[in-house]
Amino acid sequence: NAGVTQTPKFQVLKTGQSMTLQCAQDMNHNSMYWYRQDPGMGLRLIYYSASEGTTDKGEVPNGYNVSRLNKREFSLRLESAAPSQTSVYFCASSARDGILSNQPQHFGDGTRLSIL
Amino acid sequence: EDQVTQSPEALRLQEGESSSLNCSYTVSGLRGLFWYRQDPGKGPEFLFTLYSAGEEKEKERLKATLTKKESFLHITAPKPEDSATYLCAVQAPQSNSNSGYALNFGKGTSLLVTP
Repeated sequence: NAGVTQTPKFQVLKTGQSMTLQCAQDMNHNSMYWYRQDPGMGLRLIYYSASEGTTDKGEVPNGYNVSRLNKREFSLRLESAAPSQTSVYFCASSARDGILSNQPQHFGDGTRLSIL
Repeated sequence: EDQVTQSPEALRLQEGESSSLNCSYTVSGLRGLFWYRQDPGKGPEFLFTLYSAGEEKEKERLKATLTKKESFLHITAPKPEDSATYLCAVQAPQSNSNSGYALNFGKGTSLLVTP
């Protein structure tokens, strides 16, 4: 039972490069989320998708774009990476419109991204 | 501004030494309070959801309680395998959005249980 799968697990980029982080869930959840986790700070929401076909900004969306490809997949794109985007990125999913209800979110194991 | 504060930041216990972790919050319209466990190099693992003051949930050596201002995660007779960072998150209406309930995370308590 895979749950939430994120790829890649590690990535090093140079400033200005672009890349896409991939996330897929096999729990038939409607809602998906992207967070970043930095030392000394709590998890912060970047973007979320309450249901297939919709996306919305979270607390820290600048410098990122997202695509809800289908019900299973939600990708995060960095168009022009900056050192401030060095972080651990987590994808999560929840059942039945998690943003609109209080269903728990289930997380992947993260992508560790370093930008030089 | 809504806030979630966890204390202590770090806690070291001897095996079998019971203790409690605290999560205090100042949000309006709480929809739910969530506890997660995070191991190094892993994503947060869901433990409990608490919805209203007075509610309690238990799982093995862990017991979570909720009041109108804070939640406690009680750890009874901990074992070394309970060592992890414990995260608290509250769900409340987003102040900067027309829809939805954001999940606001605390910074976590790092627990180390020694044999």
